[in-house]
Amino acid sequence: DAGITQSPRHKVTETGTPVTLRCHQTENHRYMYWYRQDPGHGLRLIHYSYGVKDTDKGEVSDGYSVSRSKTEDFLLTLESATSSQTSVYFCAISEGQGYSPLHFGNGTRLTVT
Amino acid sequence: GEDVEQSLFLSVREGDSSVINCTYTDSSSTYLYWYKQEPGAGLQLLTYIFSNMDMKQDQRLTVLLNKKDKHLSLRIADTQTGDSAIYFCASGSQGNLIFGKGTKLSVKP
Repeated sequence: DAGITQSPRHKVTETGTPVTLRCHQTENHRYMYWYRQDPGHGLRLIHYSYGVKDTDKGEVSDGYSVSRSKTEDFLLTLESATSSQTSVYFCAISEGQGYSPLHFGNGTRLTVT
Repeated sequence: GEDVEQSLFLSVREGDSSVINCTYTDSSSTYLYWYKQEPGAGLQLLTYIFSNMDMKQDQRLTVLLNKKDKHLSLRIADTQTGDSAIYFCASGSQGNLIFGKGTKLSVKP
C-alpha cells in the first residue's frame, strides 16, 4: 500500500466551526488531491496540488481551502463547516507523469451537525 | 467537461463471470484504470490499460478497450463473494483522472 495517512479518520463537528483535515504521504509524489465521496455523486475533486505551494481548484472547491507547505503534507480546511459538507473525504497522490495512477488514503468521515 | 459513465449495480452468482462496463468521453486519455472499493476503505487500484492496447489480462481480470467507441469493460472470472465491492472506472492522463460513479457488484452464494 502507498504510504498515505489521513487524519483524523472520523470527526463530528458543528455547523460554523472551522475544520482541518490532514493528508501525509511518504512516497515523495508530486501530486496530491482531495476528493469527497457522496452517494449518487461518486468521487468529486475538491482541490489538488502539483507541488509545494502550487494548488488549483477542482470541481467542488467552494467552501474549501488547501495548503501545501511541504511535499509530504496536504491540508484541507473547511473555513466554516456546513451540513452539506458532511461526507467522506479522500486524499490521493500520484507521480503525475506518464503512467500515474492515483493512490488513495483510507478516508476521513466528517459529520457536520 | 469530460465524463465517465457506468451502470450503478450488478448482481451475479458465485462462480459466474462478472462484466462491468464503462464509457468515457476524454479521447486524450493515455491510461484507463479500474479501482475497487470495499466498505469503509479507500479506492484500491485494481488494474489499468494503456490506450493503445485492446485487451489486458491479469489473473482473473480481463480489461477490454474499444477506443473507437470509448468503451471499457472489466471482466472478473469465477467471481467470489470477496469480489463484492464498488468498482470505479477512471480515465485521464498526467494524474488528472475523472471517475465514474461506481458499479456496486453483489455476489450471491
